[in-house]
Amino acid sequence: RKEVEQDPGPFNVPEGATVAFNCTYSNSASQSFFWYRQDCRKEPKLLMSVYSSGNEDGRFTAQLNRASQYISLLIRDSKLSDSATYLCVVNGYGSSNTGKLIFGQGTTLQVKP
Amino acid sequence: DGGITQSPKYLFRKEGQNVTLSCEQNLNHDAMYWYRQDPGQGLRLIYYSQIVNDFQKGDIAEGYSVSREKKESFPLTVTSAQKNPTAFYLCASSISGAGRYEQYFGPGTRLTVT
Repeated sequence: RKEVEQDPGPFNVPEGATVAFNCTYSNSASQSFFWYRQDCRKEPKLLMSVYSSGNEDGRFTAQLNRASQYISLLIRDSKLSDSATYLCVVNGYGSSNTGKLIFGQGTTLQVKP
Repeated sequence: DGGITQSPKYLFRKEGQNVTLSCEQNLNHDAMYWYRQDPGQGLRLIYYSQIVNDFQKGDIAEGYSVSREKKESFPLTVTSAQKNPTAFYLCASSISGAGRYEQYFGPGTRLTVT
């Protein structure tokens, strides 16, 4: 089982739609969780950190479910400019992974006019 | 402006040559990282450094070497021993290497070896 798993998609949605991505992680001791956005042929950029209570930033909402070991990202009122790959990231924990972030392979979103 | 710079943006080399990729940050971050990304794949960690004059191998360190002589700089050398060096190389930094903090990325270097 991969340490961080995401559905690669692509998710094709019309402008204005609400779309949700889920991500599961295997290490129950992980403590920090992030969503990054990566545009084609560019570097990943931090979208938001994910806090235990869930957090919202404009049209974006992130939630964490520790019991089920998954993280979600909800995008409301999708814009064309939201088209990108969304990376789920979890901090490593344990002798081989301490100090590292573990990146999922990403979920691709295509927003159509 | 604070940030991470990588140079060059595109690099072309012949097989058998070593090549060094530059990464500089002025964010005063302690930790720095090198990743490799291949088309359609996720990021894979090559090397990371939590403090000056110290660094650790990541998941795919074979064929690569690094140095961390200054806090601001973490150059990566791709040696001729790396079997498939053509890839997108990304440098990142974070406040500390405890793995609790978000990482910020430079714009990347696309290396093509023929």
